[in-house]
Amino acid sequence: KQEVTQIPAALSVPEGENLVLNCSFTDSAIYNLQWFRQDPGKGLTSLLLIQSSQREQTSGRLNASLDKSSGRSTLYIAASQPGDSATYLCAVFDGMGGKLIFGQGTELSVKP
Amino acid sequence: NAGVTQTPKFRILKIGQSMTLQCTQDMNHNYMYWYRQDPGMGLKLIYYSVGAGITDKGEVPNGYNVSRSTTEDFPLRLELAAPSQTSVYFCASNPSPSNEKLFFGSGTQLSVL
Repeated sequence: KQEVTQIPAALSVPEGENLVLNCSFTDSAIYNLQWFRQDPGKGLTSLLLIQSSQREQTSGRLNASLDKSSGRSTLYIAASQPGDSATYLCAVFDGMGGKLIFGQGTELSVKP
Repeated sequence: NAGVTQTPKFRILKIGQSMTLQCTQDMNHNYMYWYRQDPGMGLKLIYYSVGAGITDKGEVPNGYNVSRSTTEDFPLRLELAAPSQTSVYFCASNPSPSNEKLFFGSGTQLSVL
């Protein structure tokens, strides 16, 4: 059974720092991996989707990498800003019936 | 485009009551999903649909029912509400999970007292 883990559960950094969020999964047979952002009381917004054949995807200050063989993905945020404060979740699609398996998320706080 | 729209945003139910959470999307997506999110937890899949007329169970289907009569609508029915169903419910959709991002609604916060 696929399991997705995100460590740490919470992270606090000063503004301007570069930071890395981690995501690990137990079964490397995945189709893709997505990173989401969730603001308090809101739905999830997809930030980046990496296909299994790709190594990384970039969008602005965000860069997501994927290492299928080791079951790991990272989300790199450059020059963090207070507006980046949110919970970040990763999810994998392993081809089983169309459903994504989510990690529990990392709550990020960027202090001014 | 409105995207994925959920109603209501908040609801309080008494134990044993029933209700339907509404979800509609205007992006002509084939795949639609219902997730629940409990505090400090990730999202758990309740039901999903790969197209009109086709639905299937997710990880936590007990106590819920769904239908998909049109491409746009995917309502979630709670029968005989229980305190364990207190949660935030999210509806989501995408054209294809193999290569497309997932779009979420803004959620329904449900309390069963």
